[in-house]
Amino acid sequence: AQKVTQAQTEISVVEKEDVTLDCVYETRDTTYYLFWYKQPPSGELVFLIRRNSFDEQNEISGRYSWNFQKSTSSFNFTITASQVVDSAVYFCALSEETGGGADGLTFGKGTHLIIQP
Amino acid sequence: SQTIHQWPATLVQPVGSPLSLECTVEGTSNPNLYWYRQAAGRGLQLLFYSVGIGQISSEVPQNLSASRPQDRQFILSSKKLLLSDSGFYLCAWSVMAEQYFGPGTRLTVT
Repeated sequence: AQKVTQAQTEISVVEKEDVTLDCVYETRDTTYYLFWYKQPPSGELVFLIRRNSFDEQNEISGRYSWNFQKSTSSFNFTITASQVVDSAVYFCALSEETGGGADGLTFGKGTHLIIQP
Repeated sequence: SQTIHQWPATLVQPVGSPLSLECTVEGTSNPNLYWYRQAAGRGLQLLFYSVGIGQISSEVPQNLSASRPQDRQFILSSKKLLLSDSGFYLCAWSVMAEQYFGPGTRLTVT
């Protein structure tokens, strides 16, 4: 069975600090996808990134970066120079490949990130 | 571009009443469709998914059901709501591996 663990329930930092959100996953499949979503107070889930299991290259998008390490089954998310608008709940998720691409996502419990001005 | 709609946005229903939540997707054909529930203080749980019209897979046994009468329409229903059905219901669509979510429906069962 697949599982996603986000051990950090809540993180509070002061604006402009860097912050890393941890994600550890479990799966028996060799092909899978990892995701990060942002959930602002409005509730809608905003897609941030997808990473394939066979692509361990780290990715940077503006102030956001992701570190995927298969050896430790981790997919961590770092926000550099955090801003108040980054305050939200962040979810890490996993999807296993079944050939039809129809799998739903298994989510972690989320990390509530609070950026204080 | 693709958009996904859900309605209603909020709903307050008494225990034992029926439920119908609707989700529609625009700008894509033959998407995979999903219903998730986010209970208060908990993560998101996959309830149903559909790969085509009339094709529904259930992930969690419960008093909810789903239907897909049209390619881009996904409906979540219940004949009799329970208190435990309260939560935030999110519809999502995907064509490849990425899933995109609608604005959600916040359901309170009283």
